[in-house]
Amino acid sequence: NFMLTQPHSVSESPGKTVTISCTRSSGSIASNYVQWYQQRPGSSPTTVIYEDNQRPSGVPDRFSGSIDSSSNSASLTISGLKTEDEADYYCQSYDSSNPWVFGGGTKLTVL
Amino acid sequence: EVQLLESGGGLVQPGGSLRLSCAASGFTFSSYAMSWVRQAPGKGLEWVSAISGSGGSTYYADSVKGRFTISRDNSKNTLYLQMNSLRAEDTAVYYCAKSSCSTSCYTVIDYWGQGTLVTVSS
Repeated sequence: NFMLTQPHSVSESPGKTVTISCTRSSGSIASNYVQWYQQRPGSSPTTVIYEDNQRPSGVPDRFSGSIDSSSNSASLTISGLKTEDEADYYCQSYDSSNPWVFGGGTKLTVL
Repeated sequence: EVQLLESGGGLVQPGGSLRLSCAASGFTFSSYAMSWVRQAPGKGLEWVSAISGSGGSTYYADSVKGRFTISRDNSKNTLYLQMNSLRAEDTAVYYCAKSSCSTSCYTVIDYWGQGTLVTVSS
């Protein structure tokens, strides 16, 4: 089984850009799609990025996703930070043996 | 606009049964795999089960295999989760989720419902 490791927390000021990483412990990050889910306290999760870099309808283009094979990691970048972006962000991927592998989550504080 | 509306949650005793439903709209339902994902109080998201767009393939987490059954009615644009032999550890909010593909990448979720709470307690 592989694991996805995220930083526990990040913080940045409104209007700035923040990047959250998600590192895969074994196997290639490029082998299977990576998704990013946003969850605010008391709310249901929403997808901000799926299939590595795709945005669902309604997600602003301030959110972008990428993968880096050299570091075996995926990244979620949020530009033009707004206070409403403050939430927990989770990366998720899978492989042929593990249909659901979930990162530990990153708490984003916009201050 | 994609909409997923769950129903059927509630309080049930250990060993009991419950059936969850998810009414889908805003997309061609039969073209996409669907999943149920749950979140226990204060815990992370746990994938429970998935079904292919045609309904011909089903997948389960080990924690629910043999107790839960996923199904779909493409004529009604509705997803179901039949939960039997419920345990206290099944207590969670259950989310209906749409996959971005029809079969192989069934846990690639692009849209979520609002969730329905299932409480297993005597």
